Amino acid sequence: GAVVSQHPSRVICKSGTSVKIECRSLDFQATTMFWYRQFPKQSLMLMATSNEGSKATYEQGVEKDKFLINHASLTLSTLTVTSAHPEDSSFYICSASGTDLYEQYFGPGTRLTVT
Amino acid sequence: QKEVEQNSGPLSVPEGAIASLNCTYSDRVSQSFFWYRQYSGKSPELIMSIYSNGDKEDGRFTAQLNKASQYVSLLIRDSQPSDSATYLCAVNGPNDYKLSFGAGTTVTVRA
Repeated sequence: GAVVSQHPSRVICKSGTSVKIECRSLDFQATTMFWYRQFPKQSLMLMATSNEGSKATYEQGVEKDKFLINHASLTLSTLTVTSAHPEDSSFYICSASGTDLYEQYFGPGTRLTVT
Repeated sequence: QKEVEQNSGPLSVPEGAIASLNCTYSDRVSQSFFWYRQYSGKSPELIMSIYSNGDKEDGRFTAQLNKASQYVSLLIRDSQPSDSATYLCAVNGPNDYKLSFGAGTTVTVRA
């Protein structure tokens, strides 16, 4: 149980374009989903927290107009990186929590490269 | 923001030995404690959660929590080469579902 998927696993896009990443909880209803970013050899950095049907809560320093999060259902959240730039190249990972709100299960991650 | 500190590593242990990982946290009211394993280039995988003082065992893994000392540890018994990974300590609560992660300890198990 507690399987989270992400799509795509890898994406390469040109500077100035937008990229959408999907995060799905496959076998449970995710009350809350989280989006993280991880640069090489660094730990995870929380970007935002989203609850189904509500606006996402962004961490300090994360631009909400650049990183658009939609949590339309209990099994799906999306992160859209708008007007991507090379410095947005990173490993983006979502996680989801269900009835045990404190345990988070991570998706496999999406490696974004902006050229 | 809760601070979570882990011994920096890297930690190298021979196959079959015990790997001992330590983690301290700054927020005394923290309630939930987790160990995640992250292989290079992959996302974290939850391997242990612990909520009460004492030990919790799951297979070759034992988590130990001491809230008075604000300390949580992970022991890996009979270490295998497949245990080579970065281990992340994470903390949250109460009433806060966000996880605060340590920087991670990289473990290498030598065959």
